[in-house]
Amino acid sequence: EAQVTQNPRYLITVTGKKLTVTCSQNMNHEYMSWYRQDPGLGLRQIYYSMNVEVTDKGDVPEGYKVSRKEKRNFPLILESPSPNQTSLYFCASGGGRLGEQYFGPGTRLTVT
Amino acid sequence: GNSVTQMEGPVTLSEEAFLTINCTYTATGYPSLFWYVQYPGEGLQLLLKATKADDKGSNKGFEATYRKETTSFHLEKGSVQVSDSAVYFCALSDLGQGAQKLVFGQGTRLTINP
Repeated sequence: EAQVTQNPRYLITVTGKKLTVTCSQNMNHEYMSWYRQDPGLGLRQIYYSMNVEVTDKGDVPEGYKVSRKEKRNFPLILESPSPNQTSLYFCASGGGRLGEQYFGPGTRLTVT
Repeated sequence: GNSVTQMEGPVTLSEEAFLTINCTYTATGYPSLFWYVQYPGEGLQLLLKATKADDKGSNKGFEATYRKETTSFHLEKGSVQVSDSAVYFCALSDLGQGAQKLVFGQGTRLTINP
């Protein structure tokens, strides 16, 4: 089954404790992206990757890092999380057909 | 920059009612337009799309027409069901990032009562 998986689905952590949210896709897509979803703001892009070892900032990259060492994986790293990073995070991958992106189920992160 | 504006929610309707969710956009060039749907506890799924002016996208009884003259892409359904309860996002494809980047509206939460 074609899918994007994320782990964990839920995470509660404390300010400053490094964390990683994993993302994996099994569709051989070159394009992958991370979004955060906040009430009233829709989805905003954090980082994206056009291919292995090619990553770039989206609209709200501050406080986040990513890596793309393999085509299927695109982890999101918060080295020193802060409460304003409390949000719902989605990973997505795109197969090249315009705008047709596949989304993971989301990771709800709470930073206290 | 490019942007998408959706009607404010939440929207609550009775089963079998007619649905319209308004969406307007601002963009340079000629973006493709999309509606994505998010069911409770799930990620977003592509509902329908239109790639050029006057195109009509349709799926699962939902329709939207790409109106270049009014820069709009309103979502409609003639008779909604309880199972249509979800959050709906209008989006456009930005020319950057190999035209893969999506710019989303703020989302409209729809609740259908039996």
